[in-house]
Amino acid sequence: KQEVTQIPAALSVPEGENLVLNCSFTDSAIYNLQWFRQDPGKGLTSLLLIQSSQREQTSGRLNASLDKSSGRSTLYIAASQPGDSATYLCAVSPSGTYKYIFGTGTRLKVLA
Amino acid sequence: SAVISQKPSRDICQRGTSLTIQCQVDSQVTMMFWYRQQPGQSLTLIATANQGSEATYESGFVIDKFPISRPNLTFSTLTVSNMSPEDSSIYLCSVSRLTSTDTQYFGPGTRLTVL
Repeated sequence: KQEVTQIPAALSVPEGENLVLNCSFTDSAIYNLQWFRQDPGKGLTSLLLIQSSQREQTSGRLNASLDKSSGRSTLYIAASQPGDSATYLCAVSPSGTYKYIFGTGTRLKVLA
Repeated sequence: SAVISQKPSRDICQRGTSLTIQCQVDSQVTMMFWYRQQPGQSLTLIATANQGSEATYESGFVIDKFPISRPNLTFSTLTVSNMSPEDSSIYLCSVSRLTSTDTQYFGPGTRLTVL
């Protein structure tokens, strides 16, 4: 059974810092991996999607990497801003399916 | 992209009653899913809503408790039946077109409180 874990559970950093969020999954047979952002009282916003054949994806200040063999992904946020404060969720899609299994989430707070 | 709306956005219900949540997408999509997010928890998939056939439920979720309809490619409903306080959660609808990116888009969620 696929399990997805995120470390740390919560993180508080001063504005401007570069930071790394970690995601690990137990079964390497995945179709893709996606990072989402969830703001309080709102739905989820997709940040980056990495296909199983890819190693990384970049969008602006965000960079996500995928190491399928070791069951790990990282989300790198450069020059963090208070507007980055949110919960970040990692989700994997098992091979042969289109559903997602979500991680436990990292609650990020960027202090001005 | 896909724009998804959910109704109601929130509700407070009495134990033993049922609530139907609607999910409307602005364009046709291949896959529709229903997730639950219990307080302080991550998202758990309830079921895949299949157009024209019975939904596919995940382990721990049954049709009698969470009946789902999907009459067309842009609309689905989830009913939470015979509610108890343990059903208090955010219920989210998500969609995918199964394009090369397979990005999933999420609705804003329905916040349900059962007294």
